[in-house]
Amino acid sequence: NAGVMQNPRHLVRRRGQEARLRCSPMKGHSHVYWYRQLPEEGLKFMVYLQKENIIDESGMPKERFSAEFPKEGPSILRIQQVVRGDSAAYFCASSLGEGLQPQHFGDGTRLSIL
Amino acid sequence: DQQVKQNSPSLSVQEGRISILNCDYTNSMFDYFLWYKKYPAEGPTFLISISSIKDKNEDGRFTVFLNKSAKHLSLHIVPSQPGDSAVYFCAAIVYNVGNMLTFGGGTRLMVKP
Repeated sequence: NAGVMQNPRHLVRRRGQEARLRCSPMKGHSHVYWYRQLPEEGLKFMVYLQKENIIDESGMPKERFSAEFPKEGPSILRIQQVVRGDSAAYFCASSLGEGLQPQHFGDGTRLSIL
Repeated sequence: DQQVKQNSPSLSVQEGRISILNCDYTNSMFDYFLWYKKYPAEGPTFLISISSIKDKNEDGRFTVFLNKSAKHLSLHIVPSQPGDSAVYFCAAIVYNVGNMLTFGGGTRLMVKP
C-alpha cells in the first residue's frame, strides 16, 4: 500500500495523558499536513511540515500541541495533557510538492478522551 | 469565519440521475479548488480539481464548474451510482500562501437504487 499511513487508527486516552499520532507520507512525498475534524464538521488545517521544518502552524492551538517531521521516520502530532475537547479525527495528508498538487489523505486517527 | 461553505448538508438522488453538489466561497484569493469524497472511517479521497483560470474540468462522470464572479463552484456526477453515496467536501487553496486546504462542511450524498 503506497498510500498515506496513519497509526494508530484509534487511540483512547484519559484526561491529562499524552497522545502521539503518527503519519508516514506517500512514497516520494516530502510535504505533510495535519487536519482535525470535529464531529459533524469539515476538516480544519492544523500544520504544514516539510522534512525537519515547520512551514505553517497557523492552525495549531498555541498550547499542548506540537508536530514534527524528522529527517528519518514518520511525522508525529503530539498532544500533551489531553482534554475532552481534543476528541476528534486527526487526518494526515501528503503531497509531492507545493502549490497546485493534490493532497492525499490517510484514513485518520480517531482520538477519544475519557 | 467560514470561507468555504456547503449549504446543503445532505442530498438524495435516484440512481442514474445527475447529482449536483454546490459550494460557495468568500475569499477571492483562492486560486485552486478541489473536491474530495469521504466514506465513514476513511480519509478523504481526492476526486477532481479546477484552477481559477478555468471554468470547467471534466473527468469521467465527474465535472466541476467554477463561476468566479459568483464565487461558486459545483460538482456534477452523472450518472449517479449507489457507490457514490458518501460525504463530499469542497476545498480551496491560495497558491503560494501556505499550502493549507480550507474545507467546506461537507454534503452527504445518498444515491438510491
